[in-house]
Amino acid sequence: QQPVQSPQAVILREGEDAVINCSSSKALYSVHWYRQKHGEAPVFLMILLKGGEQKGHDKISASFNEKKQQSSLYLTASQLSYSGTYFCGTEPSTQGGSEKLVFGKGMKLTVNP
Amino acid sequence: GAGVSQSPRYKVAKRGQDVALRCDPISGHVSLFWYQQALGQGPEFLTYFQNEAQLDKSGLPSDRFFAERPEGSVSTLKIQRTQQEDSAVYLCASSTGPYNSPLHFGNGTRLTVT
Repeated sequence: QQPVQSPQAVILREGEDAVINCSSSKALYSVHWYRQKHGEAPVFLMILLKGGEQKGHDKISASFNEKKQQSSLYLTASQLSYSGTYFCGTEPSTQGGSEKLVFGKGMKLTVNP
Repeated sequence: GAGVSQSPRYKVAKRGQDVALRCDPISGHVSLFWYQQALGQGPEFLTYFQNEAQLDKSGLPSDRFFAERPEGSVSTLKIQRTQQEDSAVYLCASSTGPYNSPLHFGNGTRLTVT
């Protein structure tokens, strides 16, 4: 039931782009994205609901393909502050709206100057 | 405004001891969650409250784990007779709830059982 995230780790230079993928074996009601820096709390980035919507703010955007049960997070022109571990949290359709999230193992992003 | 506050920040317990971890959610947040995060892993769901009602405790690993939120605000996660496998970071999160709301996480309590 745990979603699979890929890649597991990426190293970028400042200004480069990255894509983080999240796939589930179950039909999904929603996907959440969070970023966690070492020793800190996970911080909310965005929520996507079923319907194939795409959301974004600043240079971070995401898409949700309900049919493929996949979501992707797009980081454009990465900044040093983007470094951290990115988690997707999925909510299966069978419990739509319950807020109980199942998180992937995370993708560690390192942005170097 | 204040975020989610957890205490203690670090806890070392000898195997067999009982521990109590405290979570102060954001004022007015209806929903409260406990997650367990092992090193290098994503958070794993433990239990969920809506106000004082514990709606889901399916993630609690054993009957040694107990959580409460008696007045719908502060919550306590209690672990009895701690085992080494209980060593992890315990994260608390709150949200305005009830649906499709961002989770606001605390910094967690790092529990080490020796």
